[in-house]
Amino acid sequence: DTAVSQTPKYLVTQMGNDKSIKCEQNLGHDTMYWYKQDSKKFLKIMFSYNNKELIINETVPNRFSPKSPDKAHLNLHINSLELGDSAVYFCASSQDMADLLLDGYTFGSGTRLTVV
Amino acid sequence: GQNIDQPTEMTATEGAIVQINCTYQTSGFNGLFWYQQHAGEAPTFLSYNVLDGLEEKGRFSSFLSRSKGYSYLLLKELQMKDSASYLCAVMDSNYQLIWGAGTKLIIKP
Repeated sequence: DTAVSQTPKYLVTQMGNDKSIKCEQNLGHDTMYWYKQDSKKFLKIMFSYNNKELIINETVPNRFSPKSPDKAHLNLHINSLELGDSAVYFCASSQDMADLLLDGYTFGSGTRLTVV
Repeated sequence: GQNIDQPTEMTATEGAIVQINCTYQTSGFNGLFWYQQHAGEAPTFLSYNVLDGLEEKGRFSSFLSRSKGYSYLLLKELQMKDSASYLCAVMDSNYQLIWGAGTKLIIKP
C-alpha cells in the first residue's frame, strides 16, 4: 500500500526521557512535514523538509529535532520530554505544488504521545 | 495575526444537508483546504478552492468568497459515516497551511 506510515501509534513515557517517532512515505513525495495536534485539535506545523531545505517553525522548542536519513524518511527526535509535549503528532508528505493543490497533504495515522 | 474560525460542533440528521462555515484572516492567500478527520485517525483531503465559487465533488461541495474571507463545506444526503471533524486550512503567502480547530459534526439517525 502506498502511504505515509509512522511508528509507534502510542507512546507513553516519563518526563525527562528522550524519544523518537519514525515516519516513512513510499509515495515518492519530495517534502515531508511534522505536525502537532493538541487537545484543542489545532494542527500546528513543526517542520517541513525536502532534500534541499529544512523549515523550522520558530515556536518549536529546540528539544525537538527532525532527522532525515533519506527522502523517504523524516523522524522526529524529542529530548527531555515535558508534560506539555503530550499531544498527537502527525507526519505528512506532499509532492510539488500542483500535486498539493489536487490531493493535499497525505497524513500518517498519528502518534499519540503521553508524557507522565 | 492569522486566524481561522469554525464552529466547534454541529449536529445534523441522517439524510439531511449541513453547511460548515469557515472564516479566515491570513497574511496572503494561496487557497483554502477542507479535510475530514475521524476520531483517532489522520486527516484526509476533501477539497481545495483558490477561486471564488462552488466546487462540487459528489455529496460534498465547497464554496469560497475571497473578498469576504469566507468558505463553507456543504454535505448532502448525510450518512452516519460522515460523523467526524472537518478542518478548514488556508495556505498563506509563504505557502504554509494555517489550520482551524475543526468542526465536530455529529450525525443522528
